[in-house]
Amino acid sequence: DIVMTQTPLSLSVTPGQPASISCKSSQSLLHSDGKTYLYWYLQKPGQSPQLLIYEVSSRFSGVPDRFSGSGSGTDFTLKISRVEAEDVGVYYCMQGIHLPPTFGQGTKVEIK
Amino acid sequence: QVQLQESGPGLVKPSQTLSLTCTVSGGSISSGSYYWSWIRQPAGKGLEWIGRIYTSGSTNYNPSLKSRVTISVDTSKNQFSLKLSSVTAADTAVYYCARGVEGIAVAGAMDVWGKGTTVTVSS
Repeated sequence: DIVMTQTPLSLSVTPGQPASISCKSSQSLLHSDGKTYLYWYLQKPGQSPQLLIYEVSSRFSGVPDRFSGSGSGTDFTLKISRVEAEDVGVYYCMQGIHLPPTFGQGTKVEIK
Repeated sequence: QVQLQESGPGLVKPSQTLSLTCTVSGGSISSGSYYWSWIRQPAGKGLEWIGRIYTSGSTNYNPSLKSRVTISVDTSKNQFSLKLSSVTAADTAVYYCARGVEGIAVAGAMDVWGKGTTVTVSS
């Protein structure tokens, strides 16, 4: 299985400040079609995960533009330009290039 | 819009079979290019993909669970189901169903999730 490693595992952020989460995969997520199948999900407290970003950097419908994804190959980053109270929860990266799809351990974001 | 709802017993005895159903509403399970997945999350832990099914009936399972998992689909009822046999306490978790986007990727983005149902394995 591809191992997804996220850092940090927790993050405390002042509202209005930026936040950044790293995700590294044990194998390249670049497909022969030229796309990279790395996704980001947010699980808000008491809720199911929700899709934020697909194919590294494309925001899902309704996701605010303060969220951005970047990276290539095996190294990826999710950035929140200005954290808001509603952004608290656990963020997961997930790879979709090899079965089974695997998730990172999660990064818990809280507000200071 | 499409919504998913998990249902099934919240308590299962060790060695028995866990059975859950995911009902799709707001759209046909057969329309569009999607696959239908099960994911689980033990309390306070991360997410584990269990497996998926296409409406053609084709399935893929996590090798770690493959010997115990069966996923099926009933398009007439707009439902898909999970059976996990020989359960132990380690199978205690919140179980989610989700819709995934079919495409060139082995696993496209899972864009719609159910709220999840808690299953406890205990005698």
